[in-house]
Amino acid sequence: SYELTQPPSVAVSPGQTASIPCSGDKLGTRYACWYQQKPGQSPVLVVYQDNKRPSGIPERFSGSTSGNTATLTISGTQALDEADYYCQAWGSSTVVFGGGTKLTVL
Amino acid sequence: QVQLVQSGAEVKKPGASVNVSCKASGYTFTSYGISWVRQAPGKGLEWMGWISVYNGNTNHAQKLQGRVTMTTDTSTSTAYMELRSLRSDDTAVYYCATSGTPAAHFDYWGQGTLVTVSS
Repeated sequence: SYELTQPPSVAVSPGQTASIPCSGDKLGTRYACWYQQKPGQSPVLVVYQDNKRPSGIPERFSGSTSGNTATLTISGTQALDEADYYCQAWGSSTVVFGGGTKLTVL
Repeated sequence: QVQLVQSGAEVKKPGASVNVSCKASGYTFTSYGISWVRQAPGKGLEWMGWISVYNGNTNHAQKLQGRVTMTTDTSTSTAYMELRSLRSDDTAVYYCATSGTPAAHFDYWGQGTLVTVSS
């Protein structure tokens, strides 16, 4: 079955750039998207189709893919960006989520 | 604006069934499919399946095959998810979300419904 792998945690200082990777077999040939989830809240789509940003999502959120890895980048990270982030793709005829990455803004 | 409003929390005994509803507003209901995603306490997201509101076609996660039924009622713009033969590991928050196709991203999410399975 298809799997997506994310690091359990990433830490960043305020104002710096955070990068969260998501790896999967031939992920670069599939569309990847990213969700932000804060405690007690529903997930929010922040990047779709690898690098598109939904209306209302700040420009500091961006996505990219290369080879087997998709990356969510948050530029000028703010305290309010502290959350869990999940990548998602379609594989083996099913939706697959990564295990999630907890972003801590120190 | 697009809103998905789900039914309230449920407590069920093992072996029972649960039915979660998801009422959509702010868009043409038949324009998007509805996916169902669940999240066990302290765990990650797990996709359950997708239904086309347009024609009723469904696509389920294999591990739930035979236990889950997804339906829609276009007259009330409401989607339903029934999960049968509940087990303790079905305890989770259940979300509905809009999705154009089974493989597409989830644009909008409901607020979630906590289903607790306990004897």
